[in-house]
Amino acid sequence: KAGVTQTPRYLIKTRGQQVTLSCSPISGHRSVSWYQQTPGQGLQFLFEYFSETQRNKGNFPGRFSGRQFSNSRSEMNVSTLELGDSALYLCASSLRTPWADTQYFGPGTRLTVL
Amino acid sequence: GESVGLHLPTLSVQEGDNSIINCAYSNSASDYFIWYKQESGKGPQFIIDIRSNMDKRQGQRVTVLLNKTVKHLSLQIAATQPGDSAVYFCAENIRVGSNYKLTFGKGTLLTVNP
Repeated sequence: KAGVTQTPRYLIKTRGQQVTLSCSPISGHRSVSWYQQTPGQGLQFLFEYFSETQRNKGNFPGRFSGRQFSNSRSEMNVSTLELGDSALYLCASSLRTPWADTQYFGPGTRLTVL
Repeated sequence: GESVGLHLPTLSVQEGDNSIINCAYSNSASDYFIWYKQESGKGPQFIIDIRSNMDKRQGQRVTVLLNKTVKHLSLQIAATQPGDSAVYFCAENIRVGSNYKLTFGKGTLLTVNP
């Protein structure tokens, strides 16, 4: 089976712009979670989607949003980018739930905000 | 050792030695714990998990120990190899009704010297 794929792998944006990141989960996985990883804060949970619905959300501002499509592929969007949004954005998929099934992570999208 | 939310500690071992990576978690209501390994340029990779009704679980060359009394989790790697060099994260899950919160530690950098 192919693993979790994320596109693009690298992205450079300027402050104020918006960005959309894409994640394709492992085939058959219905739960997709997004995380932000920075050296200062580590891995932080953004949100989780299951069957096209946001099921759980972390403590991030409304500028961070996401969605999931009927084929379980997911996108996350960050609007009005700030310098502090520079991070590695990771997507993870699991069969049904991140707390009962193993999560498999993608390689991440490295976002740099200038 | 490591505590969720603190700076990244390091552990340096000789090839063939056993490694012990520690993690102190924050919430006594946490019911599920996971260890991940993250190599440079890659997303985290699941290693082993343990539920709160267990105190030990073994995998291939890895053992996770859970001490709920002192809220401490450890990962033991037997016969450490150069390929084990990576950042290791513990994560704790807290169920709140139908929702959950998955919190990751900052990680421990393991360096294996040949």
